[in-house]
Amino acid sequence: RKEVEQDPGPFNVPEGATVAFNCTYSNSASQSFFWYRQDCRKEPKLLMSVYSSGNEDGRFTAQLNRASQYISLLIRDSKLSDSATYLCVVNIQAGTALIFGKGTTLSVSS
Amino acid sequence: ETGVTQTPRHLVMGMTNKKSLKCEQHLGHNAMYWYKQSAKKPLELMFVYNFKEQTENNSVPSRFSPECPNSSHLFLHLHTLQPEDSALYLCASSQDLAGVGEKLFFGSGTQLSVL
Repeated sequence: RKEVEQDPGPFNVPEGATVAFNCTYSNSASQSFFWYRQDCRKEPKLLMSVYSSGNEDGRFTAQLNRASQYISLLIRDSKLSDSATYLCVVNIQAGTALIFGKGTTLSVSS
Repeated sequence: ETGVTQTPRHLVMGMTNKKSLKCEQHLGHNAMYWYKQSAKKPLELMFVYNFKEQTENNSVPSRFSPECPNSSHLFLHLHTLQPEDSALYLCASSQDLAGVGEKLFFGSGTQLSVL
């Protein structure tokens, strides 16, 4: 089983839509979780950390379910500029490198 | 601008060439990383340096040779590469080794093509 799994998509949605991505991780000892965003031919950039209680940043909401070992990202009122690949990232323990998923591609159209 | 600069942005090399990728971070971070990103595959960690000491080598072939002369600079020396090594090579840094809440800052990457 892969360490971090994501549905690669692509997710094709119209502007204004709400879209959700899920990500599962295999190691129950994983300690920290992130969503990174990567635009085409660009480097990944941190979108948001994911906290146990869930957290929101504008139109973006991240949730963590430790019992089921998955994290989610919800994007409300999608914009054209949200088109990108969203990478789920997990850290198993302090001092070790982050583990990346393959990414989920989102395409928002007008 | 993330504070992590990589050169060159693009590189085409033959299998017998020797080339080097350079990374410099201006963030005062202590940890630096090399990642490889191939099409349809997740980012693969290659090497980790903490305070210029290598702490992780993720079973990378010896045709890739990292060098970290100080905490701000990281090199990846390439020699006798194979066509399957063609990929985007990303340098990243973090304040300390990736841990709880630690964030990575990436450079723009070097798109490498091996002919």
